[in-house]
Amino acid sequence: DAGVTQSPTHLIKTRGQHVTLRCSPISGHKSVSWYQQVLGQGPQFIFQYYEKEERGRGNFPDRFSARQFPNYSSELNVNALLLGDSALYLCASSGTSGSRYEQFFGPGTRLTVL
Amino acid sequence: SQKIEQNSEALNIQEGKTATLTCNYTNYSPAYLQWYRQDPGRGPVFLLLIRENEKEKRKERLKVTFDTTLKQSLFHITASQPADSATYLCALSSGSARQLTFGSGTQLTVLP
Repeated sequence: DAGVTQSPTHLIKTRGQHVTLRCSPISGHKSVSWYQQVLGQGPQFIFQYYEKEERGRGNFPDRFSARQFPNYSSELNVNALLLGDSALYLCASSGTSGSRYEQFFGPGTRLTVL
Repeated sequence: SQKIEQNSEALNIQEGKTATLTCNYTNYSPAYLQWYRQDPGRGPVFLLLIRENEKEKRKERLKVTFDTTLKQSLFHITASQPADSATYLCALSSGSARQLTFGSGTQLTVLP
């Protein structure tokens, strides 16, 4: 079975630009969460979506937005990029039965803002 | 504010010994505590989950304890192997187990 996939793998942008990151959850998983991981730190929660609705939002500015599509894939958008947005962006999916609390993480998108 | 501390940034132990990692938290009442493993350049991998009403959970060579009075979790790897070398992350959640607050991790190196 395919795991969580994310695209692109790496991305380089300049300050002020916009970026869109994409995530495909494990087949059958309806929940997708996004995390930002700065080098040397643990992941920080950004958003959680379930059945296309936002179920939680972390302490991030309004420049960050996300959405979930009918096929449960998700996009994370960041506007007006700042140098401090450089990080590994992780997507995680989880199911609705059995080990539903287990988060399955993708490999991440490494964003560099110059 | 909520704070999660993991005992040290790096921990070196000899192969075959038991590794013990600590996770302490303040200003938090978690319903769930989870441990993840992260290898360089990869996403975290789920290891164990323990609920607030559970004291201990085991899985193969792994054991987790959860003391809500001390606000602490201990993570043990018995008979450690060099392949266990990785960064181990503690994560807490209150309402939704899918919205995790992570510690900064402990980098474990098991020396042959």
